[in-house]
Amino acid sequence: SQTIHQWPATLVQPVGSPLSLECTVEGTSNPNLYWYRQAAGRGLQLLFYSVGIGQISSEVPQNLSASRPQDRQFILSSKKLLLSDSGFYLCAWQPGRSSYEQYFGPGTRLTVT
Amino acid sequence: DAKTTQPTSMDCAEGRAANLPCNHSTISGNEYVYWYRQIHSQGPQYIIHGLKNNETNEMASLIITEDRKSSTLILPHATLRDTAVYYCIVKDSGYALNFGKGTSLLVTP
Repeated sequence: SQTIHQWPATLVQPVGSPLSLECTVEGTSNPNLYWYRQAAGRGLQLLFYSVGIGQISSEVPQNLSASRPQDRQFILSSKKLLLSDSGFYLCAWQPGRSSYEQYFGPGTRLTVT
Repeated sequence: DAKTTQPTSMDCAEGRAANLPCNHSTISGNEYVYWYRQIHSQGPQYIIHGLKNNETNEMASLIITEDRKSSTLILPHATLRDTAVYYCIVKDSGYALNFGKGTSLLVTP
């Protein structure tokens, strides 16, 4: 069966520090991969999605970037965190282009201080 | 993607059926209805989806009206672990899932 992993689970970082969040999926190949952010008390916002290795699409401008170095690995990064980057970061995978179910990981709760 | 309207909150007694409504009056012919839920501090969980026919799986049933302008998610025997925010999403293409505000379901003992 397929599983999705995210780490770390929680993170406290000072403003201006770098960020790297990792997401890996097991048990599937060539999935679509997604990064979402959920700010406190708000809905989920799609940040990036990827349909293949090295293919990244950004939904909103921000100081974050994403990379997909391997088929089942998706990384979210920032060179300098802002206070507004605080939130709950969720990675999700989708089986294929003909289905729209997305399966979410446990999330990373980021607090920028 | 069509807009959806859901009640802000609902209560349900443990062991009873929870019926969560969703209006999607502008749905187009090729758009599916998806339901997800998010338990506090966890990632959203896919529940079920449908196009025209009613659907059932191990988690829930989805009833879609004949004109497809509304649907109801049914949790047949709600438990305390079903307390969550439930999202109804209408979608045909593209990548983003627009979760909206959903319905906060509280299952009480």
